[in-house]
Amino acid sequence: SQQGEEDPQALSIQEGENATMNCSYKTSINNLQWYRQNSGRGLVHLILIRSNEREKHSGRLRVTLDTSKKSSSLLITASRAADTASYFCATESGGGADGLTFGKGTHLIIQP
Amino acid sequence: AAGVIQSPRHLIKEKRETATLKCYPIPRHDTVYWYQQGPGQDPQFLISFYEKMQSDKGSIPDRFSAQQFSDYHSELNMSSLELGDSALYFCASRGRGGASGEKLFFGSGTQLSVL
Repeated sequence: SQQGEEDPQALSIQEGENATMNCSYKTSINNLQWYRQNSGRGLVHLILIRSNEREKHSGRLRVTLDTSKKSSSLLITASRAADTASYFCATESGGGADGLTFGKGTHLIIQP
Repeated sequence: AAGVIQSPRHLIKEKRETATLKCYPIPRHDTVYWYQQGPGQDPQFLISFYEKMQSDKGSIPDRFSAQQFSDYHSELNMSSLELGDSALYFCASRGRGGASGEKLFFGSGTQLSVL
């Protein structure tokens, strides 16, 4: 069953604007991770937030986690054309060997 | 730095044929994961291995099998291919015994097209 659902499915903004993507999940988690994927390419890890953390920053990225609402958001500030990609949240619930459960992703388009 | 290597990059097969996808994890990574991603879809977990033993199984069809070898590389074997098997197949690896809380490193994927 689908764990992470992302919102919106597609987002188009102007370069320089901020982009916010949301993710909801269903079960309890150990951590939530965000990955980026350029078209037809592999996924690249962006940031990880643990279940006991509420907010985390990495460069232009800011991620929040609300375990009571089972939701997370990824904010990309001062967007650039190179940020155009699909962004997926992925949750980890069990032991490490269980891998990650991915959401459906948000396709972000940054218009120059 | 070495990354996860997958081969082949592209593969074209006909229905009912077999295919073998290979994955070479980052050196000293002992946990390997396989994912399937259909067009416009999210990656779906297929199977994982830790220290050459199967760890967990996801939505992997019975027609597929996989294994991890002594050098930690992994192969995904797919038989009786169907049109619906056309997808991007990713391998990912993780170190520290696949410890929870560590990020996964993904390969560039194998694009399988079944005609």
